Amino acid sequence: ELVLTQSPGTLSLSPGKRATLSCRASQSVNSYNLAWYQQKPGQAPRLLIYAASSRATGIPGRFSGSGSGTDFTLTISRLDPEDFSMYYCQHYDSSRWTFGQGTKVEVK
Amino acid sequence: QITLNESGPVVVKPTQTLTLTCTFSGFSLNSSGVGVAWIRQPPGRALEWLTVIYWDDDKRYSPSLRSRLTISKDTSKDQVVLTMANMDPVDTATYYCAHASSGYYYYYYYYMDVWGKGTTVTVSS
Repeated sequence: ELVLTQSPGTLSLSPGKRATLSCRASQSVNSYNLAWYQQKPGQAPRLLIYAASSRATGIPGRFSGSGSGTDFTLTISRLDPEDFSMYYCQHYDSSRWTFGQGTKVEVK
Repeated sequence: QITLNESGPVVVKPTQTLTLTCTFSGFSLNSSGVGVAWIRQPPGRALEWLTVIYWDDDKRYSPSLRSRLTISKDTSKDQVVLTMANMDPVDTATYYCAHASSGYYYYYYYYMDVWGKGTTVTVSS
């Protein structure tokens, strides 16, 4: 069973700073199967990145994804006030889909 | 424009069966490479994938909930229906349906690009 571990659990940063979020898979996965979502309180998740590094439609360029094998990263180059939120990585597999436990990005 | 809307009971009693409907527009579940998934989120907790149904009627279920879940589609009504049997208070959550798009790299891979607003279900006697 694949497990996705996100770190850190909480990231405290100031607006304008760079945020680096990690998603580690318990076994090597195909990067095409890895996506990132943003979720604000009381709202549905929003797709940010799919296939590990492809930005979804309408997502600002400050969001980028990278990684391969077991280690994947979501980077926010300069935090905007609207970026303080919860972020989840997710893996697609033909038999099951898996979410990480999430990283909260909060204002320092 | 793709939209999805979840509907169903707000409260169910323990042991009852929950039935949720996802009514969508802007796409056809008959189109190749499309799916609709259900995801839930207990209060203050992480997202949990439940099930997905694909354009070709292929279905996949979370292994931990497989015995309790059924997903089906009615393409004439543009709806996907989720049933979850034997509800328990731990199933209290917001339930989302989402449109799944596909890409191709020697195989089809899927990602959830449009989500419904979610519907909150409380299990209580």
